[in-house]
Amino acid sequence: KNQVEQSPQSLIILEGKNCTLQCNYTVSPFSNLRWYKQDTGRGPVSLTIMTFSENTKSNGRYTATLDADTKQSSLHITASQLSDSASYICVVSDSNYQLIWGAGTKLIIKP
Amino acid sequence: EPEVTQTPSHQVTQMGQEVILRCVPISNHLYFYWYRQILGQKVEFLVSFYNNEISEKSEIFDDQFSVERPDGSNFTLKIRSTKLEDSAMYFCASSEGEPGYTFGSGTRLTVV
Repeated sequence: KNQVEQSPQSLIILEGKNCTLQCNYTVSPFSNLRWYKQDTGRGPVSLTIMTFSENTKSNGRYTATLDADTKQSSLHITASQLSDSASYICVVSDSNYQLIWGAGTKLIIKP
Repeated sequence: EPEVTQTPSHQVTQMGQEVILRCVPISNHLYFYWYRQILGQKVEFLVSFYNNEISEKSEIFDDQFSVERPDGSNFTLKIRSTKLEDSAMYFCASSEGEPGYTFGSGTRLTVV
C-alpha cells in the first residue's frame, strides 16, 4: 500500500537552531516528492518539489534531500525563525499523479 | 504572485443544509482540485477537474458532493445535506499541470 510516514510528529526548538524533519515513503512507481509548509488554518504552500534524479534542493533556509533508493527524504531548516512555526507535510506523487500525503510534522519555534 | 482565492473563509451551517464553497483558481491553470482536512488529520483528496469534467474522485466524493465550473473563473464544491462529519477545512487547488499545485487558504466548514 502506498504510504508516507513522517517523523517526528512534533518538534520544539529554540529560535536560531537548525532542525531536520524526516519522511519515508513506500509509493511506487514514484514521480516526485514535495514538501509543503502549512500554517495553522491556512492552505499548504510548496517549499520544494524533487524528481527521481534530484538529490538535494534548496529554497532559502530550507534544504530538502531525497534518496530514491532507500525511499527517504529530509527537510533541513537552518537558523530557524519564529515564522517557521507550522506543519511541514511530505507528499509523494505516483506515476498517475496521485498525491499521497503524510500526516505532517508540527514544528514550534520558541524565542 | 497569482493566488487561488476561496470564499467564504468560514461557513457555519446546520446539519442537513446544503453549502456551496467557492474558489477562483489561477487564471491560466487548467486543472482544479478540492481537498479537505479534518482537524488534526491528513489532507485528503476529494476530486480533480479538467476540461469541464471530473477526471478523478476519491471514495469520499460520493453523491453528496458535486463540483461545477459555472463560468470561466469560478470553481465550486457543493455539499448536499451536510453531516456533522463534513466539518473540516476545504482547500481548492489549481495547476497548469504536474507538478506545481497552488492551494487556496481554505474554507473552514462547521456543521452544527
